[in-house]
Amino acid sequence: EAQVTQNPRYLITVTGKKLTVTCSQNMNHEYMSWYRQDPGLGLRQIYYSMNVEVTDKGDVPEGYKVSRKEKRNFPLILESPSPNQTSLYFCASSPLTGSYEQYFGPGTRLTVT
Amino acid sequence: AQSVTQPDIHITVSEGASLELRCNYSYGATPYLFWYVQSPGQGLQLLLKYFSGDTLVQGIKGFEAEFKRSQSSFNLRKPSVHWSDAAEYFCAVGAGNNNDMRFGAGTRLTVKP
Repeated sequence: EAQVTQNPRYLITVTGKKLTVTCSQNMNHEYMSWYRQDPGLGLRQIYYSMNVEVTDKGDVPEGYKVSRKEKRNFPLILESPSPNQTSLYFCASSPLTGSYEQYFGPGTRLTVT
Repeated sequence: AQSVTQPDIHITVSEGASLELRCNYSYGATPYLFWYVQSPGQGLQLLLKYFSGDTLVQGIKGFEAEFKRSQSSFNLRKPSVHWSDAAEYFCAVGAGNNNDMRFGAGTRLTVKP
């Protein structure tokens, strides 16, 4: 089954404790992206990657890091999480063949206390 | 840069009534337009998309949307709403060479019995 998976689905952590949210897709998509969803703001892009070893900032990259060492994986790293990063996070992927349709993972709800 | 406005934060309709969710976009060229639905606790599912051609597009679950270039709109419609349609709906516009996709803030739909 074609899908985007994220782990963990739920995470509660404390300020300053480094964490990684994994994202993996099995559709051989070149493009992958991370979004955060906050009430009243919709989805805002954090980082995206056009291919392996190619990443770039989205609209809200502060406090986040990403890497793309393999085509299928695109982890999101919070080196020192803060309470304002409490949010619902989505990973997405898409092909680069003219369609901008993005396929979304199930989401990761992160709470930073 | 492109942007999306969903003027209605929350809409309530009775089951069996018709539905129209509004979406206005800002983009200089012909956009790629999408509607996604997010059921409670779930990820985003694509309802329909417009790239070119017929301006009335059909999607899943009985939804349709009409692209009106003169009004910069891409409103979502359904003739008869079912209780299972209660969810949050996001309009998105894709453009540019980097798969850039911008989302509206979302419209929450409540369905009354």
